[in-house]
Amino acid sequence: EIVLTQSPATLSLSPGERATLSCRASQSVSSNLAWYQQKPGQAPRLLIYDASNRATGIPARFSGSGSGTGFTLTISSLEPEDFAVYYCQQRSNWGFTFGPGTKVDIK
Amino acid sequence: QVQLVQSGAEVKKPGASVKVSCKASGYTVTGYYIHWVRQAPGQGLEWMGWINPNSGGTNYAQKFQGRVTMTRDTSISTAYMELSRLSSDDTAVYYCARAVLPGAIVWFDPWGQGTLVSVSS
Repeated sequence: EIVLTQSPATLSLSPGERATLSCRASQSVSSNLAWYQQKPGQAPRLLIYDASNRATGIPARFSGSGSGTGFTLTISSLEPEDFAVYYCQQRSNWGFTFGPGTKVDIK
Repeated sequence: QVQLVQSGAEVKKPGASVKVSCKASGYTVTGYYIHWVRQAPGQGLEWMGWINPNSGGTNYAQKFQGRVTMTRDTSISTAYMELSRLSSDDTAVYYCARAVLPGAIVWFDPWGQGTLVSVSS
């Protein structure tokens, strides 16, 4: 099974600041990686798929990069609604796994 | 619009089974895979498996094999996830989610609202 690790566990920032979230895979997943946002009491929402493609309706301030074992989700300028938990997810021949999440909270 | 609506919360005793439904609307149900994901209280997301609503074919995560069954009834645009031999470790919110693209397994969007399953004696 491919294990995903995310860092940092918590990111404390102010609105308007840039957020950089990291996701590392225990072995190469090529570009088979997605990012999701989850707010308290809500279902997750797809932000980025295939490592760098924004999902429908996702603002341009969200961007994804990376391939192989290292990936980054960047939020260029945090809006109040962006404070949430972010999960990366990979797809392999064995199925799907999620990272443990990074919580972005208000500083 | 595309929507997945799940059944209501359940309370079960250890050893029992639970069956959660996921009713789809706003798209051709047989065209898109449905996944099931669970989230224990305060924890992360755990993928359980998928069903192809067109063929009925399934693929379960190894952890749940032998204990989970995913089915569908295309006549009412509904997918089901049944989990047996429940223990307290199965207490979680269970989500269904649709694959993004027709005929593809990846990625998951939209999601249902979630169904809380509580297992307690």
